[in-house]
Amino acid sequence: GNSVTQMEGPVTLSEEAFLTINCTYTATGYPSLFWYVQYPGEGLQLLLKATKADDKGSNKGFEATYRKETTSFHLEKGSVQVSDSAVYFCALSPASGGSYIPTFGRGTSLIVHP
Amino acid sequence: GAVVSQHPSWVICKSGTSVKIECRSLDFQATTMFWYRQFPKQSLMLMATSNEGSKATYEQGVEKDKFLINHASLTLSTLTVTSAHPEDSSFYICSARDRGIGEKLFFGSGTQLSVL
Repeated sequence: GNSVTQMEGPVTLSEEAFLTINCTYTATGYPSLFWYVQYPGEGLQLLLKATKADDKGSNKGFEATYRKETTSFHLEKGSVQVSDSAVYFCALSPASGGSYIPTFGRGTSLIVHP
Repeated sequence: GAVVSQHPSWVICKSGTSVKIECRSLDFQATTMFWYRQFPKQSLMLMATSNEGSKATYEQGVEKDKFLINHASLTLSTLTVTSAHPEDSSFYICSARDRGIGEKLFFGSGTQLSVL
């Protein structure tokens, strides 16, 4: 079945540091890949997505590249801010069937200190 | 953007009682809503999928008689945890799909349930 593995947190960084949150997946075919973010007290929000191999999703300074050869979709940001503190979820949705029901990773908490 | 409101944010109840969690799409019609559960340090696990006006489809291993899901309108779905026990303590989160957008999901802020 489909599964998503992401690095265990929390990840603690100083402001302006470089961020990487690793995500790898197991799925058949070419699933769509997503990063969701959950700020304290709020629901999950779609941060970025990629729908085919070598696509790069980007938003708010965050980037992730769909790597079919390594089945990865690592999240990166060049310079984090305190306001980026949140929980980040990697997810995939099936390549076929039209269900679009995502499978999530466990979430990685990011804490950014001033 | 689309908003999904989930209430309550947290609830503490006694063992044996029932708890209802509401999920509302505030500015769009949600043909499909999903209910997830998350244990500490684990993935969001899909519990069930509900379509407006029909019975929910439960994932394997989820007790349909314990977790009652009702999706009576295009803007409201409820999850009732019946005869709750301490092992039901968890974080529950709903999401909804806007019929006009297709793949994109919108999430509620979640409900932390603690059963004493």
